[in-house]
Amino acid sequence: GENVEQHPSTLSVQEGDSAVIKCTYSDSASNYFPWYKQELGKGPQLIIDIRSNVGEKKDQRIAVTLNKTAKHFSLHITETQPEDSAVYFCAGNGAGSYQLTFGKGTKLSVIP
Amino acid sequence: GAGVSQSPSNKVTEKGKDVELRCDPISGHTALYWYRQSLGQGLEFLIYFQGNSAPDKSGLPSDRFSAERTGGSVSTLTIQRTQQEDSAVYLCASSLLGQFFGDSPLHFGNGTRLTVT
Repeated sequence: GENVEQHPSTLSVQEGDSAVIKCTYSDSASNYFPWYKQELGKGPQLIIDIRSNVGEKKDQRIAVTLNKTAKHFSLHITETQPEDSAVYFCAGNGAGSYQLTFGKGTKLSVIP
Repeated sequence: GAGVSQSPSNKVTEKGKDVELRCDPISGHTALYWYRQSLGQGLEFLIYFQGNSAPDKSGLPSDRFSAERTGGSVSTLTIQRTQQEDSAVYLCASSLLGQFFGDSPLHFGNGTRLTVT
């Protein structure tokens, strides 16, 4: 099945700086890669996703890039704000799979 | 509109007791998933429902765990004879069609925090 690895496990940035979180996946047939943000005491919330037919997608301060050859994808957050502080999870769907396989998460802290 | 609702939000139980966790998915969502999140860990897949059927139960950790879904809506996850290692946050998610059909996104509830003492 699919295996997703996520780095770093923790990340601290100054407010206004950029943050980058990277994930690799094992199943070359995976074609859907969402990113979720989880705040304390809440369930994960989808913030952006990308499908394998595109290389990059942007939504305001958030962007995701996908390199199918290398089997890795990254989340980029620009002009970080304190409210960006949370745990971020990447995921991949695997071939013919009904489930998403998640990375172990990155705890992002934005220092005012 | 209403999101995915889970109850109870917190549950403390004694080792050996049975517990039931409930999930109300978003109305009209045919696919429903249960995941488990242990402290500091990622999300571990447990079971997937399409309608009332469960084509993938591969993530259930033991035969003490079971789940059902009725009316294509509400789902219950039951853990029998709870053990301390069952302590975790149990998350329910729903999607319009299911990951296999068009990659419709997952919407998560806020979870049930289970503590086994």
